[in-house]
Amino acid sequence: QLQLQESGPGLVKPSETLSLTCTVSGGSISNTSYYWGWIRQPPGKGLEWIGSIYYSGSIYYNPSLKSRVTISVDTSKNQFSLKLNSVTAADTTVYYCARLLRLKNSGRTNWFDPWGQGTLVTVSS
Amino acid sequence: QSALTQPASVSGSPGQSITISCTGTSSDVGSYNLVSWYQQHPGKAPKLMIYEVNKWPSGVSNRFSGSKSGNTASLTISGLQAEDEADYFCCSYAGSYTVVFGGGTKLTVL
Repeated sequence: QLQLQESGPGLVKPSETLSLTCTVSGGSISNTSYYWGWIRQPPGKGLEWIGSIYYSGSIYYNPSLKSRVTISVDTSKNQFSLKLNSVTAADTTVYYCARLLRLKNSGRTNWFDPWGQGTLVTVSS
Repeated sequence: QSALTQPASVSGSPGQSITISCTGTSSDVGSYNLVSWYQQHPGKAPKLMIYEVNKWPSGVSNRFSGSKSGNTASLTISGLQAEDEADYFCCSYAGSYTVVFGGGTKLTVL
């Protein structure tokens, strides 16, 4: 059974860089049928897609966050990572990683499943 | 890329049916049959309930059903049960390999 687990600091200072890693177990991150995504959720609010990455390195970002976000993949470790720079209090949210189905012919994205348990990152001095 | 619009809250009594709407644009919901729905209980990760507008993942009750008309997708839950009380989010492919979520709807089972 595929599982994803987020890891990283739970506290980041304003203006610094938030770094998280998602470790995939029970399956290969190089599976050609899937992208791997990051999603965030401010406490008590809705979900926001941050970006997605394919094992080959193709990356797609939410336009509203694109200038501050970097997503990368390490197939040797079966991990993918998120970096968000110049963080502010508005970036205090729960961050989730998830597997995202890739449609074979078009490459379009479909559904997210499974999800990691999520990790709360607080931006504060 | 704007969030899809969902009602903030809906409610229903056990055994009843409720419908949650999810309104997007011709650039997302209206253009692709790639709408999915997620259930989220407090403190838990979202769970996939419906994909490709109206398909069920393995293990999801057929009391949950989805549909779409124009730029609006809908999730209907029939035979409401206490365990259905949760937040529900819609999600759509939005072109150029991007994704957009709805703001979420809190379902209260009275």
